Amino acid sequence: EAQVTQNPRYLITVTGKKLTVTCSQNMNHEYMSWYRQDPGLGLRQIYYSMNVEVTDKGDVPEGYKVSRKEKRNFPLILESPSPNQTSLYFCASRPLSSGDGYTFGSGTRLTVV
Amino acid sequence: EDKVVQSPLSLVVHEGDTVTLNCSYEVTNFRSLLWYKQEKKAPTFLFMLTSSGIEKKSGRLSSILDKKELSSILNITATQTGDSAIYLCAVVYFGNEKLTFGTGTRLTIIP
Repeated sequence: EAQVTQNPRYLITVTGKKLTVTCSQNMNHEYMSWYRQDPGLGLRQIYYSMNVEVTDKGDVPEGYKVSRKEKRNFPLILESPSPNQTSLYFCASRPLSSGDGYTFGSGTRLTVV
Repeated sequence: EDKVVQSPLSLVVHEGDTVTLNCSYEVTNFRSLLWYKQEKKAPTFLFMLTSSGIEKKSGRLSSILDKKELSSILNITATQTGDSAIYLCAVVYFGNEKLTFGTGTRLTIIP
């Protein structure tokens, strides 16, 4: 089944403890992207990648890192999480040439205490 | 500053009614506009629209972009309770994959 898989689905962690949220897609898509969703603010783009080793900042990149060493994987790294990074996170991907939008993963609910 | 604004913020209608959701944008380097439906978790893709002005249709849903008015509408006819969701629009920028989303319209269909 074609899909974008995020792990974990839920995570509660403490301030300052490094964490990684994984994202993997099995559709050979070139484009991948990370978003956070907060009440009243909607979905905001954190980082995006247009291909392997090509990444760029979205609207809210502070406090996050990403890497794209393989086409299928696009992990989101929080080196020192803080409570203001408590949010619902989505990974998404789409092919290079398509009239379709992004396919989203199921989301990761992160709580930083 | 780039802006994507959706209206109304919330809408409650009876089953069978027709609704029109709006998305207006003020951005530089506009390439296309996307519509998504978000029920419980992940948004699901509905339409991609460009400045060509071509209307997109899928069953009871249709959407079109007005490049002069810098806006798009999403129409849903003969609404059903399964249409209850948050509807999101997003602008895609030319030259990269940056996306800016609106805050969404929460649609509730009453049986």
